[in-house]
Amino acid sequence: NAGVMQNPRHLVRRRGQEARLRCSPMKGHSHVYWYRQLPEEGLKFMVYLQKENIIDESGMPKERFSAEFPKEGPSILRIQQVVRGDSAAYFCASSLGERTDTQYFGPGTRLTVL
Amino acid sequence: QQQVKQSPQSLIVQKGGISIINCAYENTAFDYFPWYQQFPGKGPALLIAIRPDVSEKKEGRFTISFNKSAKQFSLHIMDSQPGDSATYFCAARKAGNMLTFGGGTRLMVKP
Repeated sequence: NAGVMQNPRHLVRRRGQEARLRCSPMKGHSHVYWYRQLPEEGLKFMVYLQKENIIDESGMPKERFSAEFPKEGPSILRIQQVVRGDSAAYFCASSLGERTDTQYFGPGTRLTVL
Repeated sequence: QQQVKQSPQSLIVQKGGISIINCAYENTAFDYFPWYQQFPGKGPALLIAIRPDVSEKKEGRFTISFNKSAKQFSLHIMDSQPGDSATYFCAARKAGNMLTFGGGTRLMVKP
């Protein structure tokens, strides 16, 4: 039973480029969450999605960031025109249902912006 | 606004000792309080969790104590081992399902 999968594990981008981070939830899970972890800090909620729907994006920066969870395929977190301040670890978590407590985390994507 | 405050930021404990990490929250709408363990380069892994209708939950060497009136909860690791050395995060969840994390505690257990 595979856990939450994220790829790539490491991503290096130059300022102004686009970063695409992918997340495949655990089998049977239809709820996906994205969190960002800056160095030496806790995780900060970004966005909560179900299949084809954004449920809560209150933690997403207003510009350059977008997320989707299509009917088929992984969830994608997209960062356009990256800046150095976007360098962080981005974690995806999934859960079975809306009121199911446990969120299972993937290994993260470490984004470095040069 | 930091809604979950965690302390200490770092902790050094001798092997066999008790590690204690504390968290305090502000929002009374929180209804689920998990603790996550994170090793370097890895994602957080759920360790133990509690709901506010119980005051204590124990799983093996790990115990959560919960004080609803004080809006505080803590993690106790009994008989701490070098393999417990990791960063620990408390979190709290409210309706809408997102988790609000504390700032983390870096635990080092010395052999």
